[in-house]
Amino acid sequence: GAVVSQHPSRVICKSGTSVKIECRSLDFQATTMFWYRQFPKKSLMLMATSNEGSKATYEQGVEKDKFLINHASLTLSTLTVTSAHPEDSSFYICSASGRRGGGTDTQYFGPGTRLTVL
Amino acid sequence: TQLLEQSPQFLSIQEGENLTVYCNSSSVFSSLQWYRQEPGEGPVLLVTVVTGGEVKKLKRLTFQFGDARKDSSLHITAAQPGDTGLYLCAPSNDYKLSFGAGTTVTVRA
Repeated sequence: GAVVSQHPSRVICKSGTSVKIECRSLDFQATTMFWYRQFPKKSLMLMATSNEGSKATYEQGVEKDKFLINHASLTLSTLTVTSAHPEDSSFYICSASGRRGGGTDTQYFGPGTRLTVL
Repeated sequence: TQLLEQSPQFLSIQEGENLTVYCNSSSVFSSLQWYRQEPGEGPVLLVTVVTGGEVKKLKRLTFQFGDARKDSSLHITAAQPGDTGLYLCAPSNDYKLSFGAGTTVTVRA
């Protein structure tokens, strides 16, 4: 079964509004969560890495004031796309890293959120 | 800068045929993961390889990690339509994954 959930799965918003995407690890404590962006027919691009209780580390070229990440607990991270514009339309995927059942650290991916900015 | 290449970019085969996709880099990986992603969904982990020369089998899928830990391959035997998807390799260094561009596999019934 799914171990990482994302909400919402799809969102359509008007240009200039902000959108919040939630990522939850369902049956384990995620020490680290990652946010990716994927364009059509392209691979995943890492946007940022977040650890619970600390500031996110953003990849080069990703605007931290544009993409706000909060990792408030070991099971929840949120990505807020502020003042969204049509070029922010994309598929956003989170992953959570932690140990399930005493195994090694593995990244488990959420189902993704399709953001469309009109 | 680590260069990661996946080949071929696209692959379309008939059900029952075999296929191999490749993942190559100029750098040594501490470990490498293979994922399959279906349209509109997140990637699903297939396997993690860690040791140079390692071979892992998952039903009809065979994963190989190169001796020098710079390359890997995924071989599918007797492909089925359910194998259709985007296959991504992702080396792991310092707990971060760097995804290749992927190979889009289409298995026709």
